[in-house]
Amino acid sequence: AQSVTQLGSHVSVSEGALVLLRCNYSSSVPPYLFWYVQYPNQGLQLLLKYTSAATLVKGINGFEAEFKKSETSFHLTKPSAHMSDAAEYFCAVSALTGAGGTSYGKLTFGQGTILTVHP
Amino acid sequence: ETGVTQSPTHLIKTRGQQVTLRCSSQSGHNTVSWYQQALGQGPQFIFQYYREEENGRGNFPPRFSGLQFPNYSSELNVNALELDDSALYLCASSWTSGSGVDTQYFGPGTRLTVL
Repeated sequence: AQSVTQLGSHVSVSEGALVLLRCNYSSSVPPYLFWYVQYPNQGLQLLLKYTSAATLVKGINGFEAEFKKSETSFHLTKPSAHMSDAAEYFCAVSALTGAGGTSYGKLTFGQGTILTVHP
Repeated sequence: ETGVTQSPTHLIKTRGQQVTLRCSSQSGHNTVSWYQQALGQGPQFIFQYYREEENGRGNFPPRFSGLQFPNYSSELNVNALELDDSALYLCASSWTSGSGVDTQYFGPGTRLTVL
């Protein structure tokens, strides 16, 4: 079984400040981890993914995340927030599951964190 | 390369009715997954289709069903609609390579309102 906990349903930062969005996961098998962003009335856009290669993952728009197995965390950071970063961010975990020889990778999402950026 | 598209954008139905939502996969992808996102929540996995067969299902009742066509497009059907079915329905496509977990790319979603 897998689960994701995103600490803080709302995060507010000033433009130019550090962005830190927290994600902790639980997985009984080695996980694949993702961050997605959702702008109002839109679908999900992939920011970055961890697939057991480098533990520090760089994504689009200046975001990066670090996989820490000992802390079961995958926090998302950006050194300097921009007004256009205001959106909802979702952390998700996936692993191959299934029985009878089949497998599939379903995403299990956290509850989301709404990021507000103040001028 | 075209992205994932979904239709319709918005839909209003009444309780007890049936609805069909459609999804066209991103070019080159062979797998489609459907998710339900209730207001203020993260998306919940409904099911996944690969090679025109259901290849995994979340905790949703049988009145949620789907199809995948030879061109890898897909439909989500919901029978006997309930008020709690009101949500954003997201389709995601991916390429199942058979090794590891593949990245899912999402469409813009269909907003379903059940009155």
